[in-house]
Amino acid sequence: EAGVAQSPRYKIIEKRQSVAFWCNPISGHATLYWYQQILGQGPKLLIQFQNNGVVDDSQLPKDRFSAERLKGVDSTLKIQPAKLEDSAVYLCASSFSWTNTGELFFGEGSRLTVL
Amino acid sequence: AQSVTQLDSQVPVFEEAPVELRCNYSSSVSVYLFWYVQYPNQGLQLLLKYLSGSTLVKGINGFEAEFNKSQTSFHLRKPSVHISDTAEYFCAVDTGRRALTFGSGTRLQVQP
Repeated sequence: EAGVAQSPRYKIIEKRQSVAFWCNPISGHATLYWYQQILGQGPKLLIQFQNNGVVDDSQLPKDRFSAERLKGVDSTLKIQPAKLEDSAVYLCASSFSWTNTGELFFGEGSRLTVL
Repeated sequence: AQSVTQLDSQVPVFEEAPVELRCNYSSSVSVYLFWYVQYPNQGLQLLLKYLSGSTLVKGINGFEAEFNKSQTSFHLRKPSVHISDTAEYFCAVDTGRRALTFGSGTRLQVQP
């Protein structure tokens, strides 16, 4: 079974530029998450989707971050304009369903460096 | 709101020695508890989880954890570690929202 796919793995940009990250969850997984992991910290939830609807985006900085999950499958996270403090690893995860308590499956992450 | 505290940022230990990684949580509601491991340049992988029932939970790679409700703890243990256990370990809670709140992580460094 293929895992959660993310791209790009690494991205370096200047501040005020924009960047987009892509995630393809495990086939059949209805719930998709984007987490931000700053160096030395644990992952922090940015947004949670159930199919193509947003369940929780309370910690997403909406003035600069946006995310979508068209057709309830893959998802894109965008940052525009980027700030220095956005340097982090952006992790995508998926799980089978909203009602399934348990395992989230994580991708390898997209590492963003903002100069 | 819930929170997770991992008391040790780094734990050095010699190979074949026992290890305990500490995790405490705070929540006003019942929680589900998890330990994830992150090897270098890899995604997070589930080690074990507590949902209900027996408070002693066994996971992969010989790890186990014990849920202690009165002390709001969920410490991770292994009786004998290997070099390959060197990784970052994260404790996490789910209060039923089906989204995890993670601790800051503990780096386990196994030395020969």
